[in-house]
Amino acid sequence: DIVMTQSPDSLAVSLGERATINCKSSQSVLYSSNNKNYLAWYQQKPGQPPKLLIYWASTRESGVPDRFSGSGSGTDFTLTISSLQAEDVAVYYCQQYYSTLPTFGPGTKVDIK
Amino acid sequence: QVQLVQSGAEVKKPGASVKVSCKASGYTFTSYDINWVRQATGQGLEWMGWMNPNSGNTGYAQKFQGRVTMTRNTSISTAYMELSSLRSEDTAVYYCARRVTGFDYWGQGTLVTVSS
Repeated sequence: DIVMTQSPDSLAVSLGERATINCKSSQSVLYSSNNKNYLAWYQQKPGQPPKLLIYWASTRESGVPDRFSGSGSGTDFTLTISSLQAEDVAVYYCQQYYSTLPTFGPGTKVDIK
Repeated sequence: QVQLVQSGAEVKKPGASVKVSCKASGYTFTSYDINWVRQATGQGLEWMGWMNPNSGNTGYAQKFQGRVTMTRNTSISTAYMELSSLRSEDTAVYYCARRVTGFDYWGQGTLVTVSS
């Protein structure tokens, strides 16, 4: 199985400041035939199901604010919230779907400082 | 609009089985895989398996092999996840999710409590 790790476990950022979350996969999730990274990011707020934010490592899902961006390739990825808003307080998960057995990272909790 | 509506909360005794349903609407049910993910209280997301509603083909996480069965009824656009030999560690919220690229639509979740 592909193991996903995230760092940090949690972070607190002031409103309007940048938040950066890292995700690493135990093997490359870049599919050479189409040059796509099979990596997604989700946001989960308490009592709600996860919400898809980013797929193909950097493509925003429809309706997701442009302050959310994804980057990276191969095994190392980043989710950036460019200007943190109060409604962004949540847990964020990365997920690889390269394998037929998708796996999630352990999550990163984002709070307001 | 796309919706996945799951069945209600369940309380089961250790050793029993539970079957959770996930009714899809707003799209062609057979066009996209349905995945199941669970989450224990305060914990992260744990992927359990997938099912292709068109073919019925399935794939399960090794942890659940032999205990989980994913099926569907295409006539009512409903997917099912059955977990057997329940133990206290199976207490969690169970989600179904549609997979396009990532998991773009999720059910509301079904709380399964395993308690004697």
